[in-house]
Amino acid sequence: AQKVTQAQTEISVVEKEDVTLDCVYETRDTTYYLFWYKQPPSGELVFLIRRNSFDEQNEISGRYSWNFQKSTSSFNFTITASQVVDSAVYFCALSEEGSYIPTFGRGTSLIVHP
Amino acid sequence: DGGITQSPKYLFRKEGQNVTLSCEQNLNHDAMYWYRQDPGQGLRLIYYSQIVNDFQKGDIAEGYSVSREKKESFPLTVTSAQKNPTAFYLCASTPWLGTEAFFGQGTRLTVV
Repeated sequence: AQKVTQAQTEISVVEKEDVTLDCVYETRDTTYYLFWYKQPPSGELVFLIRRNSFDEQNEISGRYSWNFQKSTSSFNFTITASQVVDSAVYFCALSEEGSYIPTFGRGTSLIVHP
Repeated sequence: DGGITQSPKYLFRKEGQNVTLSCEQNLNHDAMYWYRQDPGQGLRLIYYSQIVNDFQKGDIAEGYSVSREKKESFPLTVTSAQKNPTAFYLCASTPWLGTEAFFGQGTRLTVV
């Protein structure tokens, strides 16, 4: 069975600080997909990134970066120079080749103070 | 604009009542999902459907029912058998297997 663990329930930072959100996953499949989503106060989840299990290349998109390490089953998300608009709940998710049903972690609430 | 529309945004249910949450998509996606979100619980899968006229139970299907008569529509009924229905409900869809999900804006259901 697949499982996603986001151990950080809530993180509070001051604007311009860097922050890393952790995600650890469990799966028996060799082919799987990892995702990050952002849920602002409005409630709708917004897709941020997808990674497949054969692509361990780290990715940077503006202030966002993702570190995928199969050796530790982790897919961590870093926000550089955080801003108040980054305040949201962030979800990590996994889908396996067998079922493709997205399984979500419990989410990390990020609060960025001005 | 393409997207997923959930309605209503807020819903109040009396004890013993069935209520139906609407989810419509115009993205031509095959797969659709219903998730329930409670504080600190993340998103838990209620039901999913990968093709019309077929759907499967998720992790917490008890007290819920769905139908998939059209590709665009996947309504969720919260029955009186669901003992604790107060939650935020999210509908999602994926164009094909293994891709990212698109979400609606959610329906907040409260029992009064």
